[in-house]
Amino acid sequence: DIQMTQSPSSLSASVGDRVTITCQTRQDIRKSLNWYRQEAGKAPQLLIHDVSDLEPGVPSRFSGSGSGTDFTFTIISLQPEDVATYYCQQYDALPITFGQGTRLEIK
Amino acid sequence: QVRLQQSGPGVVKPSETLSLTCSVSGGSITNYYWAWIRQSPGKGLEWIGHIHHTGSPNYNPSLKSRVTISMDTSKTHFSLRLTPVTAADSAVYFCARDRAVWGDDAFDMWGQGTTVTVSS
Repeated sequence: DIQMTQSPSSLSASVGDRVTITCQTRQDIRKSLNWYRQEAGKAPQLLIHDVSDLEPGVPSRFSGSGSGTDFTFTIISLQPEDVATYYCQQYDALPITFGQGTRLEIK
Repeated sequence: QVRLQQSGPGVVKPSETLSLTCSVSGGSITNYYWAWIRQSPGKGLEWIGHIHHTGSPNYNPSLKSRVTISMDTSKTHFSLRLTPVTAADSAVYFCARDRAVWGDDAFDMWGQGTTVTVSS
């Protein structure tokens, strides 16, 4: 299985801050990476596919970058409604695997 | 608007069978894969497997000996069967639409989730 290492596991930031989450793998997954957010008690929501392509309706303050083994998810200007847990997911090889998540809170 | 509605019991006895169904409405079931994913505090999000309407499922090797994903012949719902279950199978189970056919294997629509507890 392809192990996804996400960091940090949690972070606290102020409204307006730039927030960055990283996702690393030990093997090259090319650009086969998606990002999700999950609010408490709800199903995950797809935000970004193929590293950097935003899903329709997702605000432009969200972005993704990277390739190979190192990937980054960024919120340019944190908003109160961004409180959630964020996950990366690889699909380069089965079984599909997820990162362990990053819990984002507002200071 | 595609909607996924899950149904099934919330409690299953150890060594018995967990059975869940995901009903799909508002869109075609034929152009996508359809997946089951579970989430537990200890293991995070875990992909269980997925199925295409042609009927060829793929499973997570960690569960392959115990899991069956099937799709009904009318292609309006798909199901998960896991047996025998243990306490380690207690989790929130989600069904999801999987865009594997389109190349990005992204889960873009989700069911509401079913909390399953394995307990006698």
